[in-house]
Amino acid sequence: QAQLVSSGGGVIQPGRSLRLSCVGSEIDFSGHGMHWVRQGRGKGLEWVGLIWYDGSKTYYTDSVKGRFTISRDNSKKTVSLQMDSLRAEDTGIYYCAKYDGTPAAYDIWGQGMLVTVSS
Amino acid sequence: IVLTQSPGTLSLSPGDTAILSCRASQSVRNNYVTWYQQKPGQAPRLLIYRASSRATGIPDRFSASGSGTDFTLTINRLEPEDFAVYYCQQFGTSPFDFGQGTRLEI
Repeated sequence: QAQLVSSGGGVIQPGRSLRLSCVGSEIDFSGHGMHWVRQGRGKGLEWVGLIWYDGSKTYYTDSVKGRFTISRDNSKKTVSLQMDSLRAEDTGIYYCAKYDGTPAAYDIWGQGMLVTVSS
Repeated sequence: IVLTQSPGTLSLSPGDTAILSCRASQSVRNNYVTWYQQKPGQAPRLLIYRASSRATGIPDRFSASGSGTDFTLTINRLEPEDFAVYYCQQFGTSPFDFGQGTRLEI
């Protein structure tokens, strides 16, 4: 069964760093862009950023530019989100998602990881 | 591109028809608009891609249309499992933002 398995969430103090990862299973990982989406408690979905299929380009939403970095290792079918200088407003559930260009949509989502930024 | 969904909350009964709107602040390139359904504690599920195409396994009670800046998701003959939050998203131009969501409640 095609899936993305996430890891790395937890409670972290403001200003500290945290790294989230997603591992693909039974998917064509290296042929697709990978995105990160987050959701604050009781709030809507927010697009965080993306990395191209080959890792050559990344894009981020303005609120995380300069603090978050997306990377990938296609040999390990893994995409990561390095989050630095964390703020309370970064608290939420973080999802990785596989982008398929044919439907132009996310066809597979990770299960989500809770990140809580609090002192 | 800012996506504005309306209404914020829609209260209906099983068997009714739900009409959800997603309006973009500017034209969405290639009408790359998707619709997702999200239930509490779950990741979103893809319903519709490219404005009007149903994803695999989605019942034909779900239909969508639209182009340019105005997009609509219609759910006919509401079933109890359809009551959830629905989001639209555009993939025409980065950042690939979502609408704020429409809560469909019984």
